[in-house]
Amino acid sequence: AQTVTQSQPEMSVQEAETVTLSCTYDTSESNYYLFWYKQPPSRQMILVIRQEAYKQQNATENRFSVNFQKAAKSFSLKISDSQLGDTAMYFCAFMRLDNAGKSTFGDGTTLTVKP
Amino acid sequence: DTGVSQDPRHKITKRGQNVTFRCDPISEHNRLYWYRQTLGQGPEFLTYFQNEAQLEKSRLLSDRFSAERPKGSFSTLEIQRTEQGDSAMYLCASSLGLVERYTFGSGTRLTVV
Repeated sequence: AQTVTQSQPEMSVQEAETVTLSCTYDTSESNYYLFWYKQPPSRQMILVIRQEAYKQQNATENRFSVNFQKAAKSFSLKISDSQLGDTAMYFCAFMRLDNAGKSTFGDGTTLTVKP
Repeated sequence: DTGVSQDPRHKITKRGQNVTFRCDPISEHNRLYWYRQTLGQGPEFLTYFQNEAQLEKSRLLSDRFSAERPKGSFSTLEIQRTEQGDSAMYLCASSLGLVERYTFGSGTRLTVV
């Protein structure tokens, strides 16, 4: 079974600064997807960024980028130029390619962006 | 594209009662998922449909839980004889293919008193 671990229950960052959220996972699979989701207080889970394990290049979406270290089974999220609207719970998730879209989530990191 | 809709947003029920939640996926999405999220934890997979076929069920889905997706459209999740441990957020998601447009709804928060 896959496990996803987010070791930082809470983090805070000053507006406009950069913050990195950590995620590690455990799997014996070689092909899979990794995701970061954002869940604001309004509750809807929103996809932030996705990484395919077979791609060596780290995914980037505007201010959000990942550091994917496949051998170390590490998948961190970097948020640059943090904005107040980035305040939310962030979840790291893992999906096997043969697992019909079932995702395994970590327990989340609560990020607070301070003005 | 109206997103994934879930109804109701909140449900308070007495222990032992039955409850039913509804999820309306994005119209062209053939895959539909149910997850449960308890306070302070990440979502846990419950079950998955491809069109109208329920293809996988988690061991978390006890025999008090049943899910349907008639005609491959909306889905319902029913919990019979609710227990306090059933109190959680129930999330629905749909997708077009494995990861394409994987979209979550806002969830139904169940409180069992």
